[in-house]
Amino acid sequence: QQQVKQSPQSLIVQKGGISIINCAYENTAFDYFPWYQQFPGKGPALLIAIRPDVSEKKEGRFTISFNKSAKQFSLHIMDSQPGDSATYFCAASNPRGKLIFGQGTELSVKP
Amino acid sequence: GAGVSQSPSNKVTEKGKDVELRCDPISGHTALYWYRQSLGQGLEFLIYFQGNSAPDKSGLPSDRFSAERTGGSVSTLTIQRTQQEDSAVYLCASRVGGANYGYTFGSGTRLTVV
Repeated sequence: QQQVKQSPQSLIVQKGGISIINCAYENTAFDYFPWYQQFPGKGPALLIAIRPDVSEKKEGRFTISFNKSAKQFSLHIMDSQPGDSATYFCAASNPRGKLIFGQGTELSVKP
Repeated sequence: GAGVSQSPSNKVTEKGKDVELRCDPISGHTALYWYRQSLGQGLEFLIYFQGNSAPDKSGLPSDRFSAERTGGSVSTLTIQRTQQEDSAVYLCASRVGGANYGYTFGSGTRLTVV
């Protein structure tokens, strides 16, 4: 049972463009929604996270938009840079702390 | 330590052999997780330890997989009678207890079964 669905699977964006990755979840008990960035050969690193009591959170060029009624959340990367090229994972956790991941999006930012 | 440490970083084993993968969590982190990442795939939850509670083993794919956590710190993931489909990167994460945030991952162990 896939509880977090992520799209697209891969994304190519020009330098300076906006990268948008979407996720949808099923379990309304989830109350913590992080995004992770992973470079080849490395473990995932926390990028930004949100709780369902807010609709948007921004940290630098990274923004999470959250739609509780639709059970969807998305990551926006503004002014995308080649150094942002990586695999991005959305995830969701319930209060007991079990963290479930989406399938990942491979982002390539072209110079 | 400063981060989550996993060893070995790479392991090549013959089909049918047993392997042990080790995870040293961040000091003071009472929650510890194991995930499996197959080539080009997402992170598949395997098992979760929280303090002295019974572990959540709901993600273990078969009875060949087991994990233990000694003294609330170091954890070992054991795969018995390895199969080629077990080839993957095994990732460990830890976080402080009592909060479902602040998960920190190690760099993983890349297991290749030949």
